[in-house]
Amino acid sequence: DAGITQSPRHKVTETGTPVTLRCHQTENHRYMYWYRQDPGHGLRLIHYSYGVKDTDKGEVSDGYSVSRSKTEDFLLTLESATSSQTSVYFCAIGGGTREEKLFFGSGTQLSVL
Amino acid sequence: GESVGLHLPTLSVQEGDNSIINCAYSNSASDYFIWYKQESGKGPQFIIDIRSNMDKRQGQRVTVLLNKTVKHLSLQIAATQPGDSAVYFCAETFQGAQKLVFGQGTRLTINP
Repeated sequence: DAGITQSPRHKVTETGTPVTLRCHQTENHRYMYWYRQDPGHGLRLIHYSYGVKDTDKGEVSDGYSVSRSKTEDFLLTLESATSSQTSVYFCAIGGGTREEKLFFGSGTQLSVL
Repeated sequence: GESVGLHLPTLSVQEGDNSIINCAYSNSASDYFIWYKQESGKGPQFIIDIRSNMDKRQGQRVTVLLNKTVKHLSLQIAATQPGDSAVYFCAETFQGAQKLVFGQGTRLTINP
């Protein structure tokens, strides 16, 4: 999966607890993204990063925060998980000047009970 | 045809036949389109892309056709194999990767 590792692959947590998902890339790509995938909605962008410490919101950013302290790592945090955040989360890299294709990791299945 | 963002249709084909998966897009300003393949339990895998200044682009066993007049995109898979079983979805953008809009996809199943 294009040198992208997501961890954990599966997680079950309880409502109200904080959760952090990690995305690690070995491609030295400037841009990284977090998406969620839900039946009936397809892939939706949560947040993305265009460099170390440079991030921006996507379509469904409420309830999520991100951090990027190193080029290779992009963290997604759910400060207080809710059942509506049960989803499959995908990290992606790619994009830039005249380069729009994205390459995805294998995903994290998150269940919030 | 389906629009980006609607239901997940299913296409069933015989092994060895050609498959045609369709996608309608709504934004006439979109200038870049991608097809992805997603197998069960895996992340989306890039298949092929096309820019709006082209009508057709070919890859290995796959061809993407773009009809800007009717805002329609199709993916043709030649000689469909069991390994082609997956969900296929298109994506469009006119403002870069962070503005990619993904469709929900079509499930392709292969009959032996």
